Amino acid sequence: QITLKESGPTLVKPTQTLTLTCTFSGFSLSTNEVGVAWIRQPPGKALEWLALIYWNDGVRYSPSLQNRLTITKDTSKNQVVLTMTSLVPEDTATYYCAHRQGYSGSGKQGFDFWGQGTMVTVSS
Amino acid sequence: DIAMTQSPDSLAVSLGEGATINCKSSQTIFSGSTNKNYLAWYQQKPGQPPKLLIYWASARESGVPDRFSGSGSGTDFTLTISSLQAEDVAVYYCQQYFNSPLTFGPGTKVEIK
Repeated sequence: QITLKESGPTLVKPTQTLTLTCTFSGFSLSTNEVGVAWIRQPPGKALEWLALIYWNDGVRYSPSLQNRLTITKDTSKNQVVLTMTSLVPEDTATYYCAHRQGYSGSGKQGFDFWGQGTMVTVSS
Repeated sequence: DIAMTQSPDSLAVSLGEGATINCKSSQTIFSGSTNKNYLAWYQQKPGQPPKLLIYWASARESGVPDRFSGSGSGTDFTLTISSLQAEDVAVYYCQQYFNSPLTFGPGTKVEIK
């Protein structure tokens, strides 16, 4: 049974750095073709993909946020960490981590398991 | 970036009636080498994370009722709910995974008439 859970601060001040942790179980990030992504959703708005890290340490970032994001994994702890710098109020959103299985035409490649999300408010 | 659009923005359907949601990508998301369309559909109910319904444009995720079906190819895709149930009230998103950045559509809200 695959589960994911996001954790981190609920309130962050503008210009500060946000660090979010996704702790998962039921799979390993050292297994071929497995990935974990971060996706956010501002209140009442659509989903926005942020970053993805693969079993082979490959990473992908949203170009619009790339210079502010870092995604890392700790396979031994079953965790993925997202760091976002220079926060602004527009970064207020629910942040989700999600599991993905498949690579380059194999597997599902949709996000088949999601955490419940963590709401982050950026405000002074 | 591949932009995803959806139509309509919202629709109200009577219980037991069918619902159709359209999704269009700004460029093809079909790969000739894999013969697959790189598109997923999600359902999101209030206060919940999204749930994967469909991947590869038409493959139903395990446990998803067969009243949900996906179709289309290239740049034009459709999610069909054959007989709307009360528990289908949600926002539905399409997402392409053909290219990075991965992109979602703006969502379509489905309500009961």
